[in-house]
Amino acid sequence: KAGVTQTPRYLIKTRGQQVTLSCSPISGHRSVSWYQQTPGQGLQFLFEYFSETQRNKGNFPGRFSGRQFSNSRSEMNVSTLELGDSALYLCASSLERLGGGRPETQYFGPGTRLLVL
Amino acid sequence: AQSVTQPDIHITVSEGASLELRCNYSYGATPYLFWYVQSPGQGLQLLLKYFSGDTLVQGIKGFEAEFKRSQSSFNLRKPSVHWSDAAEYFCAVGPTGGGSYIPTFGRGTSLIVHP
Repeated sequence: KAGVTQTPRYLIKTRGQQVTLSCSPISGHRSVSWYQQTPGQGLQFLFEYFSETQRNKGNFPGRFSGRQFSNSRSEMNVSTLELGDSALYLCASSLERLGGGRPETQYFGPGTRLLVL
Repeated sequence: AQSVTQPDIHITVSEGASLELRCNYSYGATPYLFWYVQSPGQGLQLLLKYFSGDTLVQGIKGFEAEFKRSQSSFNLRKPSVHWSDAAEYFCAVGPTGGGSYIPTFGRGTSLIVHP
């Protein structure tokens, strides 16, 4: 079974631009979560999508948004990029939604490395 | 709020030596616990997980971890380290619901392996 895939793997943007990242979960997985990883802040939860609805959200500004399609694929969008948005963006999928009362294991993709100049 | 602490930022071991990476958590109930490994420029790979039952869990690549409720710990061990184990290791607490919906990750421990 194929793992979580993310595209693109690398991206260079300039301040003020916007960017869209894509994530395809493991087949059959219905939940997709996004994380930002930086050397200074570590791994930070951005949001989770399940059944095309955002279920949980971390402490990030509204410039960070996402969506999920009916086939569970997800996209994350960052508008008005800032230098501090440079990071590795990781996508993780799980069978069911997080915190639903049953243990869920998240499987991560390779990440998209975003550099904002 | 739940939290995860990995007290060691870096650990250096010699190839063939044993390894123990520490993880302490703060959580109101029995947590779901995970260890992940990340090689440079890569995503996180699941090493092992604990949900319930036997407190000693076996994972991939010869790793094991022991859940100790009394110490709020979930330390990762390996009896003999290989050079390919050099990577970043993350401990995580998974949400169990009941007000907890977001996973929490430790800051990671960087493992350096000397030949």
